[in-house]
Amino acid sequence: DTGVSQDPRHKITKRGQNVTFRCDPISEHNRLYWYRQTLGQGPEFLTYFQNEAQLEKSRLLSDRFSAERPKGSFSTLEIQRTEQGDSAMYLCASHPVRGLRSPLHFGNGTRLTVT
Amino acid sequence: KQEVTQIPAALSVPEGENLVLNCSFTDSAIYNLQWFRQDPGKGLTSLLLIQSSQREQTSGRLNASLDKSSGRSTLYIAASQPGDSATYLCAVTTNKLIFGTGTLLAVQP
Repeated sequence: DTGVSQDPRHKITKRGQNVTFRCDPISEHNRLYWYRQTLGQGPEFLTYFQNEAQLEKSRLLSDRFSAERPKGSFSTLEIQRTEQGDSAMYLCASHPVRGLRSPLHFGNGTRLTVT
Repeated sequence: KQEVTQIPAALSVPEGENLVLNCSFTDSAIYNLQWFRQDPGKGLTSLLLIQSSQREQTSGRLNASLDKSSGRSTLYIAASQPGDSATYLCAVTTNKLIFGTGTLLAVQP
């Protein structure tokens, strides 16, 4: 069990550029979640996958955001035409196959700064 | 819609004090409640998880209670230490985790 891994740790980009983040969940965790956290706030839910199926998307996830989990293992979160308001910590978490009664495991996050 | 609130938003105590952090939620239909710790610029570390059928969980100097009917949870930290300084987040599980805004704790040496 190597934990949830997120890459990159930090990303600085100029407004209007596209960025992509990667999350590798704990092996055999079938649920994977993306959250966004701004300074002084708790994490806000963006979307989650069960295996390769995206089961729920928050209204926070505008059409500039897209997430995929093509083989039910790692996931990517892409933001197109970034805006300064996208600056935040993007957190990924995964859930073991036992289901919702067991703890969620979080990665260390990707901090995005849009200049 | 489930909403999670944490009080106080910030707390400063001298080392050695016992303290209580509060969490409330509006919908009692939850699977469980988790308390997390977050250090500045870091991810979340799970501290305690209380199932909806349980009343409390303990780990070392930490004790978390859950009163599902009233929509409340508390995190009790005994004999606080400067190393406990962090943001503490509670979250309830429905089909996903819904977080409160956190309590920023500073323990003064």
